[in-house]
Amino acid sequence: DTGVSQNPRHKITKRGQNVTFRCDPISEHNRLYWYRQTLGQGPEFLTYFQNEAQLEKSRLLSDRFSAERPKGSFSTLEIQRTEQGDSAMYLCASSLSISGNTIYFGEGSWLTVV
Amino acid sequence: AQSVTQPDIHITVSEGASLELRCNYSYGATPYLFWYVQSPGQGLQLLLKYFSGDTLVQGIKGFEAEFKRSQSSFNLRKPSVHWSDAAEYFCAVGVKSSGDKLTFGTGTRLAVRP
Repeated sequence: DTGVSQNPRHKITKRGQNVTFRCDPISEHNRLYWYRQTLGQGPEFLTYFQNEAQLEKSRLLSDRFSAERPKGSFSTLEIQRTEQGDSAMYLCASSLSISGNTIYFGEGSWLTVV
Repeated sequence: AQSVTQPDIHITVSEGASLELRCNYSYGATPYLFWYVQSPGQGLQLLLKYFSGDTLVQGIKGFEAEFKRSQSSFNLRKPSVHWSDAAEYFCAVGVKSSGDKLTFGTGTRLAVRP
């Protein structure tokens, strides 16, 4: 069990550029979640997958955001035409789809839009 | 919709003193409840969780929490705080109908006086 892995850990980008974050969940976990956390706030849910199916998306996930999990393993979160308000930490988490099972978080990917 | 309230934004305690962090939730059914801890710039680590059964749950690092349905509370306690406990603490409720996604409170930042 190597834990949830996220890359890159830090990204600085200019406004208007596209960025992509990758998440590798714990290997046997079929659920994968994305959260966003801004300074001084708790994490906010963005979306989750069960296997390769994206089952729920938050209103926070504007049309500039897209998440994929093509083979039910790793996932990517892409932000197009970044804005300064996108600056945040993006957290990935995973779990088994056993009701109430523990959700494990990665170390997060920090995005700074300048 | 579900929600979590952590009324204390900052708490400072002396090393060796006892600690209680408050958490109130709103959820339409029996909740799954969690406490996570986050060190600066890091991901979230699970301290403990409540799914059912005994309302007093034990976690890692000497923490415990008590689920009180009548008060919609899930307060975190530790009898003797160590300097290494300084961090941000998040209470969360799991939404069973949405893949157990977590809704977090805004967090309580704990400082420990030597």
